[in-house]
Amino acid sequence: EADIYQTPRYLVIGTGKKITLECSQTMGHDKMYWYQQDPGMELHLIHYSYGVNSTEKGDLSSESTVSRIRTEHFPLTLESARPSHTSQYLCASSDLSRGTKNYGYTFGSGTRLTVV
Amino acid sequence: DQQVKQNSPSLSVQEGRISILNCDYTNSMFDYFLWYKKYPAEGPTFLISISSIKDKNEDGRFTVFLNKSAKHLSLHIVPSQPGDSAVYFCAASGSNTGKLIFGQGTTLQVKP
Repeated sequence: EADIYQTPRYLVIGTGKKITLECSQTMGHDKMYWYQQDPGMELHLIHYSYGVNSTEKGDLSSESTVSRIRTEHFPLTLESARPSHTSQYLCASSDLSRGTKNYGYTFGSGTRLTVV
Repeated sequence: DQQVKQNSPSLSVQEGRISILNCDYTNSMFDYFLWYKKYPAEGPTFLISISSIKDKNEDGRFTVFLNKSAKHLSLHIVPSQPGDSAVYFCAASGSNTGKLIFGQGTTLQVKP
């Protein structure tokens, strides 16, 4: 049973369209993250949030934007999609429970975005 | 400047044998390390972790070893099973930001 949900799982969209990738978690975690991953490459952090109304850019520059109006919801938006945005986008949340095995870190199933 | 490196893009082993996946890091501030397993078009699944105060952590068929002086960690899978075939990522964190730094991943193929 997933505690963090991403929709859609797959999206094929034309160049220039505006898209929003949804991410919601039911664990009450304050911290949420967006990673981008291409085949054969590492996961790159593109956005993160430490709580409501708090968002920061990650280590990899991205043309996307995020918002955090509610604790459980952390959507990612691309105003004008381009083929270079084709990638897998992974959402995660954490309470940094170092006493737990997984560091309190949970990933969603991801959204595979293809821009044509 | 990649802080976490997995220098082997792929590894192939026979079923029942040991799989050893390696990971090197450069940032001495990292104090928590995790291994994830990932299938295409899915999110990473947590496998095992280790804190820098330990040098070994074991969970069933999976064991992670940490050599702080060499800034090196490894994941051992014994015995390897075909279902273990996937991409394996190591990740590291060094602060309470929760930001994980990932390696490039190693694709493991376990042959029946």
